[in-house]
Amino acid sequence: EAQVTQNPRYLITVTGKKLTVTCSQNMNHEYMSWYRQDPGLGLRQIYYSMNVEVTDKGDVPEGYKVSRKEKRNFPLILESPSPNQTSLYFCASGNRDRPYNEQFFGPGTRLTVL
Amino acid sequence: GQNIDQPTEMTATEGAIVQINCTYQTSGFNGLFWYQQHAGEAPTFLSYNVLDGLEEKGRFSSFLSRSKGYSYLLLKELQMKDSASYLCAVNDDYKLSFGAGTTVTVRA
Repeated sequence: EAQVTQNPRYLITVTGKKLTVTCSQNMNHEYMSWYRQDPGLGLRQIYYSMNVEVTDKGDVPEGYKVSRKEKRNFPLILESPSPNQTSLYFCASGNRDRPYNEQFFGPGTRLTVL
Repeated sequence: GQNIDQPTEMTATEGAIVQINCTYQTSGFNGLFWYQQHAGEAPTFLSYNVLDGLEEKGRFSSFLSRSKGYSYLLLKELQMKDSASYLCAVNDDYKLSFGAGTTVTVRA
């Protein structure tokens, strides 16, 4: 089954404790992206990647890191989480060679930073 | 910067038609997406417009006017399962900027 998976789905942590949210896709997509979703603000792009070893900042990259060492994986790293990073996070992937970049979203990771 | 506006909420009756408007002012434009998102779930793709005009897909249609920075999503023959948030998103060279979403409630 074609899908984007994220782990963990739910996470409660404390300020300053480094964490990684994994994202994996099995559709051989070149393009992958991370978003956060907050009430009243909608989805905001954090980082995206056009291919292996190529990453670019989205609209809200501060406090986040990403890496793209393999085509299928695109982990999101919070080196020192803070309470304002409490949010719902979505990973997405897409085939950049299509006429348009339809993105397929993972199920989401709800993160709470205390 | 990117500015994408859509109404916060809309309510309609089962079987009716609802039109969700989206206006945008963005630094770049390579097309406009509409996504549907049920509560607690991931967004799912509904439509994409890159040229002016109407795209029809079953009960859902989407319209784009690039000169006016305007799009709408038309939902016909509303069903209870259409109760969800509808997200307008502008594609700018693979960067996606989303509106805050419109929550549609379908009443029996």
